[in-house]
Amino acid sequence: GAGVSQSPSNKVTEKGKDVELRCDPISGHTALYWYRQSLGQGLEFLIYFQGNSAPDKSGLPSDRFSAERTGGSVSTLTIQRTQQEDSAVYLCASSLGERLGRGSFVPQHFGDGTRLSIL
Amino acid sequence: DQQVKQNSPSLSVQEGRISILNCDYTNSMFDYFLWYKKYPAEGPTFLISISSIKDKNEDGRFTVFLNKSAKHLSLHIVPSQPGDSAVYFCAASASGGTNAGKSTFGDGTTLTVKP
Repeated sequence: GAGVSQSPSNKVTEKGKDVELRCDPISGHTALYWYRQSLGQGLEFLIYFQGNSAPDKSGLPSDRFSAERTGGSVSTLTIQRTQQEDSAVYLCASSLGERLGRGSFVPQHFGDGTRLSIL
Repeated sequence: DQQVKQNSPSLSVQEGRISILNCDYTNSMFDYFLWYKKYPAEGPTFLISISSIKDKNEDGRFTVFLNKSAKHLSLHIVPSQPGDSAVYFCAASASGGTNAGKSTFGDGTTLTVKP
């Protein structure tokens, strides 16, 4: 498809296990974002990749969270030693970049998310 | 400290009437604002945006108003339709500084349009 693809769509795992969430961005999009949405909450920024620049990891909640983006395309978000508070919908988004020009901004295209449940 | 706030978690309106969704922000560095719409079990989709050099942007039934002095923006939907029922997220971004390129999202407002 032409949109952002995330897998798996649902993941249930036991506390303490590691999980990997995958994001396939739209082809040609240089920017990739990960967000987390806990029940009843807004979108919490986690990490941002832009081209070959060092990623902005300022939103990662703990050192159990990490993400990489291989070849400027597919991204994997890894959560080690999962905790129950990690249960949330993890959303990935991509965009063409930051700005098209003065006064314009490139919107993000979101995948449908991975619903992660930690038992 | 939440930089983008949507103080109304929910809003219910009658079909055909106007829906007004509000958003407040605190960071004066924000210079671009976007609204996203989200249906259950789907990711948010971009709806409409406005730059800080404007105070109004209109696209069909959707109009966004920006009041920079009050650090307030609103999304107007008129006439509202049942298919507009969704969660609406306000997002803000800054062109410079350490937050350049990122959007900060509000917690969302759930709009219900009754037939």
